[in-house]
Amino acid sequence: DAGITQSPRHKVTETGTPVTLRCHQTENHRYMYWYRQDPGHGLRLIHYSYGVKDTDKGEVSDGYSVSRSKTEDFLLTLESATSSQTSVYFCAISVTNEQFFGPGTRLTVL
Amino acid sequence: DQQVKQNSPSLSVQEGRISILNCDYTNSMFDYFLWYKKYPAEGPTFLISISSIKDKNEDGRFTVFLNKSAKHLSLHIVPSQPGDSAVYFCAASENTGFQKLVFGTGTRLLVSP
Repeated sequence: DAGITQSPRHKVTETGTPVTLRCHQTENHRYMYWYRQDPGHGLRLIHYSYGVKDTDKGEVSDGYSVSRSKTEDFLLTLESATSSQTSVYFCAISVTNEQFFGPGTRLTVL
Repeated sequence: DQQVKQNSPSLSVQEGRISILNCDYTNSMFDYFLWYKKYPAEGPTFLISISSIKDKNEDGRFTVFLNKSAKHLSLHIVPSQPGDSAVYFCAASENTGFQKLVFGTGTRLLVSP
C-alpha cells in the first residue's frame, strides 16, 4: 500500500460542468501521475508532476488541467466536462523504478 | 499508433497449468518494462518488472522474459491459481525513476479450477 487515496470514488456530472478529482499521498513521493483507463486503450497518461508546482502534459492532456500546490496533493480538473471524458481515472506515484496506483475514480459525464 | 500491444484480449487456463501472457512493443527507446494486475473496481497492482539489460526476471510464480531483438516480452505464471484471474497490463518506459509509462490494452486471464 503506497498510501494513495482518490476522491471522490464515483461521480456523475453533466456536460459543461467543471469537475475536480483529488489524489492524496502520505509518503512525500516526488512524482505523481494521472491516467485514464478506457476499454480498448489500456491506461493513458494525462498529466504528471515532478514536484510542487512542476507539472507537464502527457499523451491525452486536451481538456484537462492539473495543479500541485503541496507535495501530497495532485488535482486533476476538467474545466468543462464532455461525454468523451467519461472514464475511470487513476492517480499514481513513483517508488524507485515502479509506479503504484490509487483505487481510481469512476467519472460519468451525461 | 499503439507503441505497446497485447494482441490477446483474453486467455483461459486451468488451475495448476502455466499461463503465458504476451506483449510486443515498437519503440526501441523503451528500456524498462513492467507488468500490472488489475481486479475490477481496483487500481492496477504492480507485479514484476525487467530492465532492458536483462532477459529474465523471476519472482515466485511469476517470471518475465524479454527478447529485445524481437521487441517482445512475456509473463509466465506457474502454477496458475484461480486468484490470478484478472486483467494483466504490460507497460514500458524510456527510463527509470521518473517514468512516462505506456500501457498495452490488457489481457483478461481466467483461471478455472
